[in-house]
Amino acid sequence: RKEVEQDPGPFNVPEGATVAFNCTYSNSASQSFFWYRQDCRKEPKLLMSVYSSGNEDGRFTAQLNRASQYISLLIRDSKLSDSATYLCVVTHGSSNTGKLIFGQGTTLQVKP
Amino acid sequence: DADVTQTPRNRITKTGKRIMLECSQTKGHDRMYWYRQDPGLGLRLIYYSFDVKDINKGEISDGYSVSRQAQAKFSLSLESAIPNQTALYFCATSDARTSGSVEETQYFGPGTRLLVL
Repeated sequence: RKEVEQDPGPFNVPEGATVAFNCTYSNSASQSFFWYRQDCRKEPKLLMSVYSSGNEDGRFTAQLNRASQYISLLIRDSKLSDSATYLCVVTHGSSNTGKLIFGQGTTLQVKP
Repeated sequence: DADVTQTPRNRITKTGKRIMLECSQTKGHDRMYWYRQDPGLGLRLIYYSFDVKDINKGEISDGYSVSRQAQAKFSLSLESAIPNQTALYFCATSDARTSGSVEETQYFGPGTRLLVL
C-alpha cells in the first residue's frame, strides 16, 4: 500500500465548477500536511499547508481528518489557470526528519 | 535569478556511462534533497542532506551517489547509468527551522530530464 494515495484522475471540469480532491495517508504518526501544485513539465510548488482545523486561501479550502487519515482540497469557481496536477504531501512520521512523502498527484483539467 | 538551479536541464546518455547532475541554491537553506519522478509513481526521495557533513539515503538510493560540496551545492551521480534510471530528477531545499511544522516548504529546482538509452 502506498503511504499517500490519491486518485490520479484526470478530473475534467468546466470553468466555474467546484471540484474536490481527496487523499489518504497510511502513517498515523504524520504531523504535517500539504498540497503542492505541479504544472506540466515544471517543478512542484507549495499551494497550501493543511491545518488541523482546516484552512482557506481564496478559492482553495483544505481539510484534515486525522481519525480517518484523510486530507481534502476544494477548489471553488475553477479557472483555466487551475489546470495542473495537485500533489498531496505528508511528513514522514512524527520526528523532525525533514522528509516528505508525496502522493502521485491528481490531474485537473479546467475547460472553457 | 532562480533560487534553486539544476544543470543540465536535459541529458541523453548511454547505458553504463557515468553522469552527474548538479544543484545549486541561493536560499541559504541547510537541507537539500534529490528526488526522481516517474509517471504514476510520484516523487520518490533518492538522497537527502541536512548539512555538509550529513548525507542520508532515501527510499531509492541504489545506483546513485551524492556529494554535498558546500552548503549551496548538492550533486547526484549515476555511476553506471541504466535505462530504468530514465526519469525527471528534482533537487529541493528546505529550511531546518521550519522542518516538521506546517510552515515547512520544500523549494524545487526546475528539474533535469534524463534519458538513458
